[in-house]
Amino acid sequence: DQQVKQNSPSLSVQEGRISILNCDYTNSMFDYFLWYKKYPAEGPTFLISISSIKDKNEDGRFTVFLNKSAKHLSLHIVPSQPGDSAVYFCAASITFNKFYFGSGTKLNVKP
Amino acid sequence: EAGVAQSPRYKIIEKRQSVAFWCNPISGHATLYWYQQILGQGPKLLIQFQNNGVVDDSQLPKDRFSAERLKGVDSTLKIQPAKLEDSAVYLCASSVSPSYEQYFGPGTRLTVT
Repeated sequence: DQQVKQNSPSLSVQEGRISILNCDYTNSMFDYFLWYKKYPAEGPTFLISISSIKDKNEDGRFTVFLNKSAKHLSLHIVPSQPGDSAVYFCAASITFNKFYFGSGTKLNVKP
Repeated sequence: EAGVAQSPRYKIIEKRQSVAFWCNPISGHATLYWYQQILGQGPKLLIQFQNNGVVDDSQLPKDRFSAERLKGVDSTLKIQPAKLEDSAVYLCASSVSPSYEQYFGPGTRLTVT
């Protein structure tokens, strides 16, 4: 039972443009949502999060949007840079004691 | 500050053999997590410790997997006996407390032949 889904395995974007990564979930009990970034041969690195009581959280070039009615969240990266090329995982948590990850989206930012 | 350390980085074993992975979390981090990441999938939480107690192990295949965290610091994850489908990267993460700010180690890539 895949409770967190990332339906796009890959995304290619030109440098300077916006990257939009999407994530859908099924469990309405999730109360925190997170994005992690992963480079090859390294562990995931926390990027940004959002509580279920909010619909937007911004941190520099990264913004996460949450649409609870649609059970959908997205990560916007503006402007995209070649160093952003990595695999991005969406994750969801129930009171920080259960964590579920999506399968990841590989972002390629072309110079 | 030193990050989460894991060893070994790579391991190749035959099916039905045993294997153990070691994790040393960031100093002072009370919460420790073990994840299994199969190729093409996201990490799956196997077990979560708070100090040396288990918070959640609902997705740990207890017939073959075991984990312990003695003295609330280092942790080991063991598989006995291994199956082909256990081939994956095993990630260890730690956090100050149960929170979203988990710090991951580089992982151990296990290949079962």
